[in-house]
Formats: sequence, structure tokens, C-alpha cells
Amino acid sequence: GDSVTQMEGPVTLSEEAFLTINCTYTATGYPSLFWYVQYPGEGLQLLLKATKADDKGSNKGFEATYRKETTSFHLEKGSVQVSDSAVYFCALARMDSSYKLIFGSGTRLLVRP
Amino acid sequence: EAGVTQSPTHLIKTRGQQATLRCSPISGHTSVYWYQQALGLGLQFLLWYDEGEERNRGNFPPRFSGRQFPNYSSELNVNALELEDSALYLCASSFGGLARISSYEQYFGPGTRLTVT
Repeated sequence: GDSVTQMEGPVTLSEEAFLTINCTYTATGYPSLFWYVQYPGEGLQLLLKATKADDKGSNKGFEATYRKETTSFHLEKGSVQVSDSAVYFCALARMDSSYKLIFGSGTRLLVRP
Repeated sequence: EAGVTQSPTHLIKTRGQQATLRCSPISGHTSVYWYQQALGLGLQFLLWYDEGEERNRGNFPPRFSGRQFPNYSSELNVNALELEDSALYLCASSFGGLARISSYEQYFGPGTRLTVT
């Protein structure tokens, strides 16, 4: 079945460091890919998405490129801030009869001043 | 514009009782999804409602059920509560029909924290 694998956390970085959170997926067909962020005590917020191969999603300085050849959708940010501390979830959805989101296990990011 | 709302924020029940969780989608959205975020198990899909009907169901027992009302709000019912049902229950909404295909995004509410003692 479909699945999403994320790198284990927590990831601890100093402010202004470069961030990469790895995400790979297994799915039939051509799923849409998403990154969601969950701040402490809150629900999930959609961070960015990509719907087809080679698409780049971007938002708030975060970027991720849909790589079909490597089945990956790695999240990157050039300079993290303390306010980026949160749990990041990679997810996929197939635009067929299901439409459900399948999530990775989440990666906790801690940014220190 | 109001986002997805859920109530109650917290719910404490004892084993064997029933819990009812409520969700109101973003205006204009006709699809509602329920997810369970249990400690150590990650986020798992529970149920999907669209246009008042159940469209898809995750790998959960039948004591997890729900419905969608004509105004597209939704209820999740959990019967015969067990300790392992303790979790954060998240509701999400999206456009339905053809609009879902062109602009597929799910927007989440803040969740209901269910504690079973």
C-alpha cells in the first residue's frame, strides 16, 4: 500500500542554519504531495504542496520539489528561525476515489537562538 | 474567513462510555475528513464524508462511526471507549466534486483531545 517515510527526529539547529527534512514515498500512480506543520498545542497547517513531477512547492521560505525518479519530496529552508520550531509532516494523497491523506511519522524541529 | 472548528477542545470519558466529537468545515467546503493522532501511532485516516455520505473508511473498528449533516458539519462517534482510543482527533475539510480535483487541499481544525480513563 501507499506509505510515506520521514527522517527520524528531533532535528536541532541553530538560528539561521540550513534545514533539510527528508521525505520519500511509495505509491501507485501520481500522488499529490504535501508538507504540513504542527505547532505545539495546535492542529495541522498546510505548508506547501506539489501536484506533479518536478513541481516545486514553496511558502514562508520553505521549499520542496516533487522528484518522481527518486520518489522524494524533501523539505528545505535556507535560514531557520526560532519560530520554525514545530513538528513537520510529509503526506501524500491520490486523486482517485480515496482522497485521504497518508502521513509520515513527523519530524520534530527545534531551533535554538 | 473562519477556519475549521471543532468541539469540544477536551473530552474526558471512562472506558465503555460513548464520545461525540463535532466539526464545522470552512464555508464552501463539502467534504469532511477525520484523523486520529495517537501517541506513537502518528496520524491515521479514520473517515471521509462528502455531500452527506460516507465515502471512505480507514482501518478502524465499527464502533468508530459518524455522519455529515445537510449543512456539511460532521459528528464522529466512538462507542464502547477503550483506553487506546485516547488521542487527538483532527477534522479537516476540503472542496468537493470537480473543485476538489482542481484545488485539492485539506484544511485542519485544532482538534479534540479525547482522554479515556
